Amino acid sequence: QQQVKQSPQSLIVQKGGISIINCAYENTAFDYFPWYQQFPGKGPALLIAIRPDVSEKKEGRFTISFNKSAKQFSLHIMDSQPGDSATYFCAASKGTNKLIFGTGTLLAVQP
Amino acid sequence: DGGITQSPKYLFRKEGQNVTLSCEQNLNHDAMYWYRQDPGQGLRLIYYSQIVNDFQKGDIAEGYSVSREKKESFPLTVTSAQKNPTAFYLCASSIRAAGGSTDTQYFGPGTRLTVL
Repeated sequence: QQQVKQSPQSLIVQKGGISIINCAYENTAFDYFPWYQQFPGKGPALLIAIRPDVSEKKEGRFTISFNKSAKQFSLHIMDSQPGDSATYFCAASKGTNKLIFGTGTLLAVQP
Repeated sequence: DGGITQSPKYLFRKEGQNVTLSCEQNLNHDAMYWYRQDPGQGLRLIYYSQIVNDFQKGDIAEGYSVSREKKESFPLTVTSAQKNPTAFYLCASSIRAAGGSTDTQYFGPGTRLTVL
């Protein structure tokens, strides 16, 4: 019930392509779904977040798609760049600020 | 320059020793958190504090202890009871305590602890 399942574990995309990372959850009480980006040896940084009252949120090249009925949400990175190469984590929480993290996706964007 | 600082960046410990990791924030955030990150795994919550002089266990609190005597400081002690302490430790903070909707957590740069 508390898990957030993230896939794929790793992803290789060509420069200019679309990167897609998926997450699924079980707890329907979750009401906050952030995505974090982490570079090697650094702390994660918030990339974009969504609440279940909307189905999509876009910020620049980054878009979250949210499917409440399927209990899934995904991150799309348009026009992927080598600088986007990092580990991406999805997470979910309900009110308590206790974030439940997915296991991460290592993205490599090839030039 | 506002943010979260963690020290040291790298820490080496001999088996059987306690070690304390520092976390300081000048963002005036109420809540602070400690996470552990292992290769290929997500972040797992060790302890969190929503207000000064109060803290709660997270999912993997065994072998760890914390204190919250000041709003800006939340040190983590890794005790000798922690069987597998080698990991990357991340401190985070958020603007207000629980009760409302979830607030953004901001992370520090982390401390990599290695047990020799």
